[in-house]
Amino acid sequence: DGGITQSPKYLFRKEGQNVTLSCEQNLNHDAMYWYRQDPGQGLRLIYYSQIVNDFQKGDIAEGYSVSREKKESFPLTVTSAQKNPTAFYLCASTKAGLGTQYFGPGTRLLVL
Amino acid sequence: GESVGLHLPTLSVQEGDNSIINCAYSNSASDYFIWYKQESGKGPQFIIDIRSNMDKRQGQRVTVLLNKTVKHLSLQIAATQPGDSAVYFCAEFGAGNNRKLIWGLGTSLAVNP
Repeated sequence: DGGITQSPKYLFRKEGQNVTLSCEQNLNHDAMYWYRQDPGQGLRLIYYSQIVNDFQKGDIAEGYSVSREKKESFPLTVTSAQKNPTAFYLCASTKAGLGTQYFGPGTRLLVL
Repeated sequence: GESVGLHLPTLSVQEGDNSIINCAYSNSASDYFIWYKQESGKGPQFIIDIRSNMDKRQGQRVTVLLNKTVKHLSLQIAATQPGDSAVYFCAEFGAGNNRKLIWGLGTSLAVNP
């Protein structure tokens, strides 16, 4: 059945390490998004991509990078430049031109 | 600037009562609004949406009301159940060339048995 998957569910990062969060969708959606959510807070947009091989910075892109080589995949790399990476990371997708975003289950990133 | 805010950060109701969660927005050009429910440790789940050419839309036990005059959005949940306990977010679909969702801060709904 169709949906959005994120892996891993929990991820631990050491100081100075880059880590990559996976997001895959089989909904044939054109646009994909990455959000960060801190405890008791709302969602903040990191990066989004409306089409393959193209992506734009969101509101808090510093310290993160993405790629969109395939329509169904939008991995997020949390680089060592992100000094406060501990958060819940959510991936979403939507069909082009529509507002409703569908979310994956999230990845919780913790720093060792 | 653009913002979507919620009047009440927390709401506690008795099981069986009706719940009303409110949301204010400031961008009068926004034309699409969505309510999401987020349970602890999970991703947000779509509940109901409404376009700006409507002022009311009903779903199963939920109703969304849109008052464009005062830029106010509300979510009404009938006969609230313990499974409704979650954080509820409103989001507006902003206008402009790069249309993207603008998220509110969220309201935590606690249902007391």
